Amino acid sequence: NAGVTQTPKFRVLKTGQSMTLLCAQDMNHEYMYWYRQDPGMGLRLIHYSVGEGTTAKGEVPDGYNVSRLKKQNFLLGLESAAPSQTSVYFCASLSRGPLKRSGYTFGSGTRLTVV
Amino acid sequence: AQSVAQPEDQVNVAEGNPLTVKCTYSVSGNPYLFWYVQYPNRGLQFLLKYITGDNLVKGSYGFEAEFNKSQTSFHLKKPSALVSDSALYFCAVRDHTGKLIFGQGTTLQVKP
Repeated sequence: NAGVTQTPKFRVLKTGQSMTLLCAQDMNHEYMYWYRQDPGMGLRLIHYSVGEGTTAKGEVPDGYNVSRLKKQNFLLGLESAAPSQTSVYFCASLSRGPLKRSGYTFGSGTRLTVV
Repeated sequence: AQSVAQPEDQVNVAEGNPLTVKCTYSVSGNPYLFWYVQYPNRGLQFLLKYITGDNLVKGSYGFEAEFNKSQTSFHLKKPSALVSDSALYFCAVRDHTGKLIFGQGTTLQVKP
């Protein structure tokens, strides 16, 4: 039972390069989220998904795209990386059941540096 | 719009003393509130949550939080701090669409 797995854990990109961050969960959760964490700003929501094949914008979606082709996977893409996207990225998932009996599960994060 | 505020960037406490990390919220409807802890270079770990019921919520590692509706607060507390409690703490509120909205975080330093 791995929970939420993020790959890669670290990456350095050059400005203008593209990459995809993968989030995989094995808990059959319906909801999945991508956040970025920056010092003094907490975690900010980039995009989220309430089910397979559906995605929606969060607070800071510009420069990112996402896809949820399979229920267990939520991909975050950077088409043309910029230094402002240097951050730690966290994925989270949540089941649809009553919140009293469930909770958000977070991955261990991806540290991305854009030079 | 729903929001969470953590008014202190850093809290310093001596080991063995009680600690409080403050959180206030603004939501429409009933609040669903959470506390998470993050150790250096690690992900977020769940501490506790308030959904309904008792205003005093007990969580992991001896932490508890008090929900105060009139003051719109959800402060995190522990009766006796440990050096190992030193970490970054986040308060969060769930909005009506299921998204978690985080505060900016409070660094807790517990000194021996």
